[in-house]
Amino acid sequence: DVKVTQSSRYLVKRTGEKVFLECVQDMDHENMFWYRQDPGLGLRLIYFSYDVKMKEKGDIPEGYSVSREKKERFSLILESASTNQTSMYLCASSSGQPSSYNEQFFGPGTRLTVL
Amino acid sequence: GNSVTQMEGPVTLSEEAFLTINCTYTATGYPSLFWYVQYPGEGLQLLLKATKADDKGSNKGFEATYRKETTSFHLEKGSVQVSDSAVYFCALTRWNAGNMLTFGGGTRLMVKP
Repeated sequence: DVKVTQSSRYLVKRTGEKVFLECVQDMDHENMFWYRQDPGLGLRLIYFSYDVKMKEKGDIPEGYSVSREKKERFSLILESASTNQTSMYLCASSSGQPSSYNEQFFGPGTRLTVL
Repeated sequence: GNSVTQMEGPVTLSEEAFLTINCTYTATGYPSLFWYVQYPGEGLQLLLKATKADDKGSNKGFEATYRKETTSFHLEKGSVQVSDSAVYFCALTRWNAGNMLTFGGGTRLMVKP
């Protein structure tokens, strides 16, 4: 079974703090994704990586950065957290080339609250 | 651009009732279509998919048919169970970026005994 794990299920941070969300997958997948999930808006793609040290902006990259130093690990960074970044963050991974679909496997999510 | 529209929830049904969750889309090209399900406290998991027009995806008693003429991919189940209570997301692949998905807003289903 593919396993995608996220470092925290719940996180509370203060405005202006630097926040790291970590994601690890154990199936040697090439592609990894960070989404945020908000009620009524579904999932929106923040960043995507198709290889180590490679990253692509998604639909809502502003206020976020990412890091992929190892194939199995993809980090989402909030340089200076703001209250409008309070959300559920989901990580996913998949195999294959960026041009073709392969099933995405999701982690359980991190619910981040910024006070 | 791509977009996916789902019926707003929550949808509340009694056990053994018939379920329909509507999904319509706009897209460039010929996307593949998916339903993902999110059970309480868990991440999303793929429920079913269809890759071309008139394909029917099915899994766990759920079905959806890719209707190009109406740009729809409605999810149906003949007899829901309490264990089907979850949030359901319709999604499609993006033109020239098949590994990336566009999701709908999600529909919460609550099934009462």
